[in-house]
Amino acid sequence: EPEVTQTPSHQVTQMGQEVILRCVPISNHLYFYWYRQILGQKVEFLVSFYNNEISEKSEIFDDQFSVERPDGSNFTLKIRSTKLEDSAMYFCASSPTTHGYTFGSGTRLTVV
Amino acid sequence: GENVEQHPSTLSVQEGDSAVIKCTYSDSASNYFPWYKQELGKRPQLIIDIRSNVGEKKDQRIAVTLNKTAKHFSLHITETQPEDSAVYFCAASNRGGADGLTFGKGTHLIIQP
Repeated sequence: EPEVTQTPSHQVTQMGQEVILRCVPISNHLYFYWYRQILGQKVEFLVSFYNNEISEKSEIFDDQFSVERPDGSNFTLKIRSTKLEDSAMYFCASSPTTHGYTFGSGTRLTVV
Repeated sequence: GENVEQHPSTLSVQEGDSAVIKCTYSDSASNYFPWYKQELGKRPQLIIDIRSNVGEKKDQRIAVTLNKTAKHFSLHITETQPEDSAVYFCAASNRGGADGLTFGKGTHLIIQP
């Protein structure tokens, strides 16, 4: 079964540093997403991406966040200057249409 | 924006019994309602979804019902098994999920042997 792949699985970073989280969506999918989940809480939408541009973003996705699809396969989330409250599990997801997401296994980001 | 409420936060049932998890949503424009199962430390996995043009959908032991008038939807699991133990999240969205899913806070389902 095709999978969404995320790297790294765990990243520890100093507060104020930039981090890039990487995702390889399923190859024939057209819609791409980032979500985050603070430990023990619900999953929260960050951003959706379609046709090489942001389709929608939440209030969480402020100027510190950016997304890119630098080539035909990777989809990245960049956090420019990390804060302690950015510590969370970040999930990438993709879907062939607007329905039926497949989530990746996540990157646990710890900001110290 | 959309707000999704989910109850109960914890549900303990005996193996073989049924489990029901309920969600309400606030945005009448929402038209897509998936349910996800998340085991500890793992990714959310889609188990069933329903669109607003149907009232019920079933897949083996799992069913979802939707009441658009009341703006609530429910997950029903019959003949529960130990491997059903997990956290279950409901979600809602309009324009399918393209504008992002709004998740409930989750229900920790515990199956007692």
